[in-house]
Order: sequence, then C-alpha cells, then structure tokens
Amino acid sequence: ILNVEQSPQSLHVQEGDSTNFTCSFPSSNFYALHWYRWETAKSPEALFVMTLNGDEKKKGRISATLNTKEGYSYLYIKGSQPEDSATYLCATHSGAGSYQLTFGKGTKLSVIP
Amino acid sequence: AAGVIQSPRHLIKEKRETATLKCYPIPRHDTVYWYQQGPGQDPQFLISFYEKMQSDKGSIPDRFSAQQFSDYHSELNMSSLELGDSALYFCASSLGRTTGELFFGEGSRLTVL
Repeated sequence: ILNVEQSPQSLHVQEGDSTNFTCSFPSSNFYALHWYRWETAKSPEALFVMTLNGDEKKKGRISATLNTKEGYSYLYIKGSQPEDSATYLCATHSGAGSYQLTFGKGTKLSVIP
Repeated sequence: AAGVIQSPRHLIKEKRETATLKCYPIPRHDTVYWYQQGPGQDPQFLISFYEKMQSDKGSIPDRFSAQQFSDYHSELNMSSLELGDSALYFCASSLGRTTGELFFGEGSRLTVL
C-alpha cells in the first residue's frame, strides 16, 4: 500500500495571491500521478495525469510539476480566485499494471475575496 | 457530454439490511472503480473492473461484492450492513490503461441507521 501525503492539510489565501502545495509519494515503483480538484457537493474532477520525471502540465492558472526520483509533485495556482476554493487531491498507482489509485488526504484551499 | 451516472443518489438502510449501488460508466469506458469515503476521510479504494473482469481489489469487506456486466455498468452489493458502512460511495470510469484519468460520478450516499 502506497503512502501518499499532501501538505499543507488546509490553506487560506487572499484573492489574487499565488499558492502551491505538495504531494509526496514513494519513488519506487512509480507509475503515474494524478491531481484532482474536488469542490464541495460535487465529484472529483481530473486536473492532470503525469507519468514522466520532469513533467510539467498547465491548465489555465493551475500548473503542476513532477519529480519521480525524489517522489514529489507540486501544484501551483497563480492569482487565486474564490472559485479555486476546493480540496485538491493527488493520487498515484501502486505499481505497473495496478488499477488502484491511492489518494492522499487532500489540501483544502480557501480563497478569501 | 455523458458523465458517470450513479444510482441511487441517496439510500437509507437499517443495520443488517442489504443495499445495491449501480454505476453506469461513460460510454466506451471499459474500466470501473469503486471508492468509499467515510465522514471526514479520504477516499478509499474498494475494487475495480476492466473489461468485465475484476482487475484490482482494495479494502473491500467480505460482506461486499461487485461485478461489471456486459454493458459495462457495475453494481456494488453490500450485505449485513453496519453503521460504519455509512459513507459516500463514488464510482469512476476510465478508458483503457492505468494512466487514464478517472471520471467520477456524483456519488451515492448510504446512511445505515
């Protein structure tokens, strides 16, 4: 069983501030890392799936990087807006051929207008 | 675009009763996942199916069973319900291999009294 850890657990930022948070995972047997955005009363929505060391992906003001050798991924939000308020989950596979995603506990972001 | 459909959305059962949750994946998606999220907890992987065969198994109790049918929909059967089974049950689907992003349904909330 993988141990996926996210930090911080929660975060409050002012509208317009940029922010980032971390997902750590065991670097051995890495296969893929997923980021999901989960708004209250909605279902998780995929942001990024990354597989290669050094991968960088961007969607609007949100971007993510991946370091598989040291076992971490960063999620960045530039110029936070109130609509960015959500829980951000990262998840990774337990090895090649496994269909099981192991989720971290998430980082809850609150953007204050 | 069609999304993952789960039914029922809400279900209330008594202890020791049986419950069945249904999941209809996005058309052409061949992989279905079931996750359980207890109050204040991160999502826990239960079981997954690829092309109608069980592909991976997580922390699914022996009282639970699941299957994927020929039309790719899946059902999660829960028997001898316990208070601790009260949770939000998410189904997700993906296309093909393990790096595909998951598309989640809106969840079925089970309350056991």
